[in-house]
Amino acid sequence: DAGITQSPRHKVTETGTPVTLRCHQTENHRYMYWYRQDPGHGLRLIHYSYGVKDTDKGEVSDGYSVSRSKTEDFLLTLESATSSQTSVYFCAIKSGSGGPSYEQYFGPGTRLTVT
Amino acid sequence: AQRVTQPEKLLSVFKGAPVELKCNYSYSGSPELFWYVQYSRQRLQLLLRHISRESIKGFTADLNKGETSFHLKKPFAQEEDSAMYYCALERNDYKLSFGAGTTVTVRA
Repeated sequence: DAGITQSPRHKVTETGTPVTLRCHQTENHRYMYWYRQDPGHGLRLIHYSYGVKDTDKGEVSDGYSVSRSKTEDFLLTLESATSSQTSVYFCAIKSGSGGPSYEQYFGPGTRLTVT
Repeated sequence: AQRVTQPEKLLSVFKGAPVELKCNYSYSGSPELFWYVQYSRQRLQLLLRHISRESIKGFTADLNKGETSFHLKKPFAQEEDSAMYYCALERNDYKLSFGAGTTVTVRA
């Protein structure tokens, strides 16, 4: 599992509340990613990081922010949760130097429900 | 912009029958293509990548640049192949774009 954990694993929250999801890795990988998984859409990239304090937007970044203050942790924050953000969130890392011959390893996922 | 299309949402085959999952892509650059699989209650994991041209669990996939396709094939499906399969394209900036996924059910 490439030492990737996510917390919490399940969360139910109310519309309008802030939510932070944590991705933690133990193998010092440079690249980290946040995806959301929705039926009919597959996985869509929210944000990614290519180093400490270096982040960039993915295709569905509106309503989300990220932070990476240390190599091992990549935090995803929903500033004000909406029902459309109900989803399963996956964190991933890219092994090696990041080139195409290196795969992405995924965390176990966080199921978020916004009521 | 890149796009990955998996036209089949659901695919049901009998054990021992061939299975083919279709994947088409559009990308202006040189694509790096992957198949990922998610078994029930497990993490998403890499099945195979075109750059290594390997066969994993009996699956193969050939990149056809003329048809912009990367179809996944297995000559004899097994029950343990039941899973969700995602085709993915990696851009030059290491961002992955996924297709919508195909759920495969292998029946005894």
